[in-house]
Amino acid sequence: DQQVKQNSPSLSVQEGRISILNCDYTNSMFDYFLWYKKYPAEGPTFLISISSIKDKNEDGRFTVFLNKSAKHLSLHIVPSQPGDSAVYFCAASHNTDKLIFGTGTRLQVFP
Amino acid sequence: DGGITQSPKYLFRKEGQNVTLSCEQNLNHDAMYWYRQDPGQGLRLIYYSQIVNDFQKGDIAEGYSVSREKKESFPLTVTSAQKNPTAFYLCASSPVAGGTDTQYFGPGTRLTVL
Repeated sequence: DQQVKQNSPSLSVQEGRISILNCDYTNSMFDYFLWYKKYPAEGPTFLISISSIKDKNEDGRFTVFLNKSAKHLSLHIVPSQPGDSAVYFCAASHNTDKLIFGTGTRLQVFP
Repeated sequence: DGGITQSPKYLFRKEGQNVTLSCEQNLNHDAMYWYRQDPGQGLRLIYYSQIVNDFQKGDIAEGYSVSREKKESFPLTVTSAQKNPTAFYLCASSPVAGGTDTQYFGPGTRLTVL
């Protein structure tokens, strides 16, 4: 049972526009959410996180929104840049030592 | 220069052979993790360790073994019992065990079993 779902395997966005990556989860006990970015043949790097007591967290061009009632979070990247082209994973946890990862969304930013 | 190192980056083995993947961190992190990534799938947890000389099975531990004799090292052995060992393996660490601690990942090892 996939507790964290990224239903869009890929997304293509023009440079300068907004990229919106979505993530849904089923476990209402999750209280911490993270986004990671991964380039091919490299390990994921941490991007941004959000606690369930918040509904928005912003860091530069990256903003994560959390809608607890819908069990949905999204990552907004604006403006999108070619260097943002990568696979993005969302992850969730419930105050445990295990992160549950989604399947990833491949973002391609074209000129 | 602190970080997590995994070696080698690419590894080839014949079917039926055991192989050990290295993971070292100099971040003084207590917790370490092993994940596997397959195409079209998320990162799946194999084993994790919260403290030296202790480790727990993750979601897909069958066919794998680990040890945690030193804080900075968490090697993963892929045994011949693992039915589909070809994958990209990622090691991670976090300051303490707990979901609110960001995990930092190594560069990964791509294992191909011929």
